[in-house]
Order: sequence, then structure tokens, then C-alpha cells
Amino acid sequence: DSGVTQTPKHLITATGQRVTLRCSPRSGDLSVYWYQQSLDQGLQFLIQYYNGEERAKGNILERFSAQQFPDLHSELNLSSLELGDSALYFCASSVNRDRNYGYTFGSGTRLTVV
Amino acid sequence: EDQVTQSPEALRLQEGESSSLNCSYTVSGLRGLFWYRQDPGKGPEFLFTLYSAGEEKEKERLKATLTKKESFLHITAPKPEDSATYLCAVQENFGNEKLTFGTGTRLTIIP
Repeated sequence: DSGVTQTPKHLITATGQRVTLRCSPRSGDLSVYWYQQSLDQGLQFLIQYYNGEERAKGNILERFSAQQFPDLHSELNLSSLELGDSALYFCASSVNRDRNYGYTFGSGTRLTVV
Repeated sequence: EDQVTQSPEALRLQEGESSSLNCSYTVSGLRGLFWYRQDPGKGPEFLFTLYSAGEEKEKERLKATLTKKESFLHITAPKPEDSATYLCAVQENFGNEKLTFGTGTRLTIIP
């Protein structure tokens, strides 16, 4: 157990629907990162939150949004889902921006859009 | 934009047969280079961070090295349990803390 908890582990939904993925970071970690991993591409950075505020945005679609709550857990909202959104979605956390121990990843949410 | 290229895409070795994985990178200023191991259907597991050219780090049968343009992950006398995808990522020196990943090397160790 890495200490980063992601729920649900699997999600199957239809095109056009909306889903919410949840992430609880490791205790003490202030930063949360969301990544998408599909078969034809590697891990793609989506968005980072630090202590409740958005820090950086990557290749995140306008249909996707995220937030980090006061208890530091984060949610990634995916709407108007398309078949191409099927992928593994990973959350990772780290201590803070000044110390570099690498991220700790969760076990991911596998999203299947049918 | 940061770029990370890993080679080979896949590598099959006999148990005990040592080899190296390559990660070449382009980044405006390197803050850190990371190696991760990923098993199928699981999240990446942190292995090493390297910060400057000439640095080396070891963990069991793995040794990571760094130059100004590339990093190598050397695997000595691998065992079947070393089979996994090995991912390399870079973090640039300025701006946010995102990691830019390569597409990985899928390593298979045959008993």
C-alpha cells in the first residue's frame, strides 16, 4: 500500500456520461497530481493542486476538471465522456515543492467508456 | 517542451543476463530525473531520483546513472521478479513540479 488511495478501482460508463474519481493523498503530502495513462500514450500530466490551489495544468481537456478540498483529498471530474477517454487515471502526491522525493502514486482508476 | 525518449521499447533477457535501459531527455534545466517501476494494472513505484550529471544510485540489482543528456538503468543478474515496465521521467528546474514521462521499457526476464 503506497498510502495514496484512489476510488473506485474500476468504472464502466456510457458515452456522454459524467464520472468523479477520488484521491486521498499520503498523510502529510500537500500536492496532488492527476495523470492519464492510455495504451498508445505514456503517462500524461493533467493537473496539479497544492494545498487546495491549482498549481499547474497539463493536457487536460475542457470537459475535465478537478479540485482539492480542505482535507487535501482531490476529485477529478470527467464529463461528456467519449470512447477515447477510456484509460487508467492515476493520482500521485508529494510532500511539497521544495523537496524532491518523487511522487507516490496510487493504484489508479481504470475507466472504460462504452 | 520537455521530451523523454526511452529505449528499447521492450527487452527480453534470460535470468542472470545483465543489460541496460536508456532514457534520453531534453529539458531546459533539469531539476531531477526519476526512475519508476510499473507492474501491469498498478501504479508506478518510485525507484530513484538523480539530480546532476555523474550521479549514481543503487538498489539491489538496479543501478541508475545520469549524464547531461541521458540516464541508464543497469540491471545486474536480473531475476524473473524484475519483470516490469520501467519508466523514466524528468522534472524541470523552473516552474511547476510536473513530471514528464517517457513511454517506458517493458522488461521480461525469462527463467
